[in-house]
Amino acid sequence: EPEVTQTPSHQVTQMGQEVILRCVPISNHLYFYWYRQILGQKVEFLVSFYNNEISEKSEIFDDQFSVERPDGSNFTLKIRSTKLEDSAMYFCASRPPGGDTGELFFGEGSRLTVL
Amino acid sequence: LAKTTQPISMDSYEGQEVNITCSHNNIATNDYITWYQQFPSQGPRFIIQGYKTKVTNEVASLFIPADRKSSTLSLPRVSLSDTAVYYCLVGDGGSYIPTFGRGTSLIVHP
Repeated sequence: EPEVTQTPSHQVTQMGQEVILRCVPISNHLYFYWYRQILGQKVEFLVSFYNNEISEKSEIFDDQFSVERPDGSNFTLKIRSTKLEDSAMYFCASRPPGGDTGELFFGEGSRLTVL
Repeated sequence: LAKTTQPISMDSYEGQEVNITCSHNNIATNDYITWYQQFPSQGPRFIIQGYKTKVTNEVASLFIPADRKSSTLSLPRVSLSDTAVYYCLVGDGGSYIPTFGRGTSLIVHP
C-alpha cells in the first residue's frame, strides 16, 4: 500500500538553527499538508499546498516557516531559526485528487527537538 | 467549521464492543463525518467516513442518526492494539482542512 514517508524520523538541533523536514507524498496525490503535535497536545494544522502554492495556512505558520515542492516528489518544511517551542512531532499528509471524502494520508512524523 | 464534542477518555476490555459518540450540533448540510485513529508517536490514520445512516468497513462501523447532530464510532471486539486516541472531525468533504480536537483516548485492558 502506498504511503507518505518522512525524513528524518528524529532531529535534534540547537536554538536558532535552520531545519528542513522532508516528505514524499503518495505519488498521485495533489494536496499536501503539514501538521505538528507538541507532546501531549492536539494535532495542529500548519499549512496546505496545492498547485505549487500555499492554499491555506494557520497562525502558527509565521515568517519562520516555509514550504516547498522542489521537484515532483518531495515536499519540504523549513524552519529558518528554530525556537525551543518548535519542539514537536511534525506530520506531513497528502490527499488524492478529486472525490469528496477529504481523507488525508499521514506520514509517521518527524520528531524535532530544539535545545 | 462545526464544533465537535467527544469524551476525553474511555476504558474497555479485550473482546468488548466500544462505542464512542461525538456530538456535532452545528453540522452543515455539506459536511461529512470522519474518524481518525492515532497511536503514540504516529500520524493519524483514517478509519471511516460517512454522511448519513450507517457505514461499515473492515475496521469499524459509523452510525449517524437522521438529524446528523451526533455520530457513533463502533469498534467490534477490541483488542489491546486498539488502544489509541480517536478523533471525530466534521467538514465539507474534499475542500476543508481537517481540524483535530483533543479526541478520545481509548485504553483497552487485558
